[in-house]
Amino acid sequence: QKEVEQDPGPLSVPEGAIVSLNCTYSNSAFQYFMWYRQYSRKGPELLMYTYSSGNKEDGRFTAQVDKSSKYISLFIRDSQPSDSATYLCAMKTSYDKVIFGPGTSLSVIP
Amino acid sequence: EADIYQTPRYLVIGTGKKITLECSQTMGHDKMYWYQQDPGMELHLIHYSYGVNSTEKGDLSSESTVSRIRTEHFPLTLESARPSHTSQYLCASSLGDTQYFGPGTRLTVL
Repeated sequence: QKEVEQDPGPLSVPEGAIVSLNCTYSNSAFQYFMWYRQYSRKGPELLMYTYSSGNKEDGRFTAQVDKSSKYISLFIRDSQPSDSATYLCAMKTSYDKVIFGPGTSLSVIP
Repeated sequence: EADIYQTPRYLVIGTGKKITLECSQTMGHDKMYWYQQDPGMELHLIHYSYGVNSTEKGDLSSESTVSRIRTEHFPLTLESARPSHTSQYLCASSLGDTQYFGPGTRLTVL
């Protein structure tokens, strides 16, 4: 079993839709959770960073962490064509390296 | 936008050739990383460095080597390229838990 699993997609939604991207993990020691966005032919860029359980909101993006279920989500409200990218979840313990999920490809259709 | 650069962006080369992928960052970060990324797969850490003269192998076995003679520079070398080395190579540096990625080098070995 991989340490971090992610819905593979690809996901295609109409402009304006609410998008939910999800990851599950097996290591209960993970405490730091991140979402990266990767456009085609570019490197990933950090989108959201959260510590432990709870919600964090930044504009149209909300990151949610449920440590009891070992489940994290990224919600995108009012999705735009510019949100079309691959979204990578990532997580780490307090002392170890970052582990990335395989990514979910999202297309927002105008 | 992160100040981390990779050259070349694209490289097509024959089997058996020696190649060096360049990575430079101007942010003064001590930690730097090399990842390998294949389509639909998670990023695999192949090398990392926590500072000058410090290098470690990552989780994915690799026939490449790295060096860290200067803080800003972290080149990756393949002594003898093989078709199995065909992949996207991403360099990153970090401040705390946030990793900043370069645009990547797409390597094709014929």
